[in-house]
This record gives sequence, structure tokens and C-alpha cells, in this order.
Amino acid sequence: KQEVTQIPAALSVPEGENLVLNCSFTDSAIYNLQWFRQDPGKGLTSLLLIQSSQREQTSGRLNASLDKSSGRSTLYIAASQPGDSATYLCAVSPKEYGNKLVFGAGTILRVKS
Amino acid sequence: DAGITQSPRHKVTETGTPVTLRCHQTENHRYMYWYRQDPGHGLRLIHYSYGVKDTDKGEVSDGYSVSRSKTEDFLLTLESATSSQTSVYFCAIRETGGLSEQYFGPGTRLTVT
Repeated sequence: KQEVTQIPAALSVPEGENLVLNCSFTDSAIYNLQWFRQDPGKGLTSLLLIQSSQREQTSGRLNASLDKSSGRSTLYIAASQPGDSATYLCAVSPKEYGNKLVFGAGTILRVKS
Repeated sequence: DAGITQSPRHKVTETGTPVTLRCHQTENHRYMYWYRQDPGHGLRLIHYSYGVKDTDKGEVSDGYSVSRSKTEDFLLTLESATSSQTSVYFCAIRETGGLSEQYFGPGTRLTVT
């Protein structure tokens, strides 16, 4: 059964720092991995989707990498801002049941001004 | 933003009453999902649909039923609401199966007293 783990569970950094959020998954047989952002009381916003054949995806200050063989993904946020404060979730689409996503528990990020 | 709306956005109901939540999409995507999100449990899949009148169970389907009579609408019904069903419910859509990005609606906060 696919399991997704996110470390750390919570992170607090000063504004301007570069930071890395980690996501690991137990079964490398995936179609893709998706990173989401969730603000308090809101829905999930899709940030980046990395297909299994890709190594990384970039969007603005965000860069997500994927190492499928080792079951790891990282989300790099450059020059963090207070507006980046949110919960970040990763999810994989397993080949075993590709219609569904398996989510990690998330990392709560606080960027202090 | 993906065209997904959920109604109602907030609801308070009494134990034993039936409740129906609606998800509406304007994207003509094939797949639609219902999740619940609870502290300590993260996002859990309730039911999903892979086409009109085609649905399947997720990991926490007991006490819930769904229907999809049109591509754009996916209904979640709690036949007899219980306090354990107090939660935030999210709808999501996906264009195809495992390869495509999943988009979420704004959520419905349901309180069962």
C-alpha cells in the first residue's frame, strides 16, 4: 500500500530565506506527483505536477524535484515571503489505482516578517 | 482557477437528518471526487466517479452515497447524519485518470449536532 510522508510537519523561517519541503513515498510505481498549497479555511490549490518521466518542474519561485527511484520529492521555495505561509501537501498518483491520489499529512509553513 | 463550485458552503444539521452536498464543475472533466478533511487524519477519499452513473468507493465510504446523473454535477448524500460526519468536505475534478492534475473546490463545512 502506498504511503506518503512529509517532513517536517511544521517549519518556521524568517522572511527571505530559501527553504525545502520534503515528501517521500513508499512505492515508486507512480504516474506523477502533485504539490498543493492550502490556506486556513480554504481549498487546495495545485502548485506543480511532475510526471514520473520528469525530474523537476518550476513555477516562479517554486521548484519541485522528483527522484522516483528513491521515492523522494522536494519543493524548493526561493526568497520566502509572509504570503507563502500555508500548509503544503504532496500527493502521488499510484499506478496500482491511478484514478486516486494518496496524500501526505502536509507541512505547515510560517514565514515571519 | 478550475471551475468548481460547492454548495452549500456551510451547513449545520441535526443527527439523523439527511444531507446532500453538491459539486458542480464547468470543465467537462471525466473524474470527480469527494474527500473529507479532519484534523489528525488529513484528506480521505469518500467516493469518486469516472463518468456519468459510474462511481466507486473510497477509503471512508460507510454512511455516504453519491450520484452523478450529469457530467457537471456530483452529489454526496449522508442518508442519516451522525456527529462523526462533522467535517470539511472537498470536491475535486480531474480531466483524465492518473496522468492529469487534480483541482479542488472551496469546500463545505458541515456540522452535525
